[in-house]
Amino acid sequence: SQTIHQWPATLVQPVGSPLSLECTVEGTSNPNLYWYRQAAGRGLQLLFYSVGIGQISSEVPQNLSASRPQDRQFILSSKKLLLSDSGFYLCAWSVQVGRFDKNEQFFGPGTRLTVL
Amino acid sequence: GENVEQHPSTLSVQEGDSAVIKCTYSDSASNYFPWYKQELGKRPQLIIDIRSNVGEKKDQRIAVTLNKTAKHFSLHITETQPEDSAVYFCAASSVGGFKTIFGAGTRLFVKA
Repeated sequence: SQTIHQWPATLVQPVGSPLSLECTVEGTSNPNLYWYRQAAGRGLQLLFYSVGIGQISSEVPQNLSASRPQDRQFILSSKKLLLSDSGFYLCAWSVQVGRFDKNEQFFGPGTRLTVL
Repeated sequence: GENVEQHPSTLSVQEGDSAVIKCTYSDSASNYFPWYKQELGKRPQLIIDIRSNVGEKKDQRIAVTLNKTAKHFSLHITETQPEDSAVYFCAASSVGGFKTIFGAGTRLFVKA
């Protein structure tokens, strides 16, 4: 069966510090991978998605970046955190879809980031 | 760009009553509409979905309806129970596509 891991589970960082959040998926190959941010009391904002190694699509221009160094590894990074970067970061994967397949998202447990 | 609007943001109902959450989407190419439930402190999980070639789908106490002409879709929960309390997200995407656009979420409270 497939599982998705995220770490760390919680993180408190000062403004201006770097960030690295990691997500790994097991039990599947060549998944689509996603990073979402969920601000307090708000919806799921798509930040990045990747359909293959080294392929990253950015949805929201900001001080975050993403990388996919391996097939089942997705990393969210920042060189300098802002207060507004605080939130709940969710990684998700979906099956590499065929033309008639639905794109069900399977979410990881999330990382709660607080920037002080 | 693509956008999904969801209403209401908060909904409080008495146990046993029905709850309705409504969404609209902007991208006419969207043809797959999932609903996710996120319980407190947990990850979102798919509870029901509908494709654009279907107007209604039901699974026990939950049902979804879709009006493709008006670009509206709704989640209906009947005979609500306290364990239905959660945040519900509607979403829209294209079958065979990579992106899913989520609504802002509805926090449902079911009072016992």
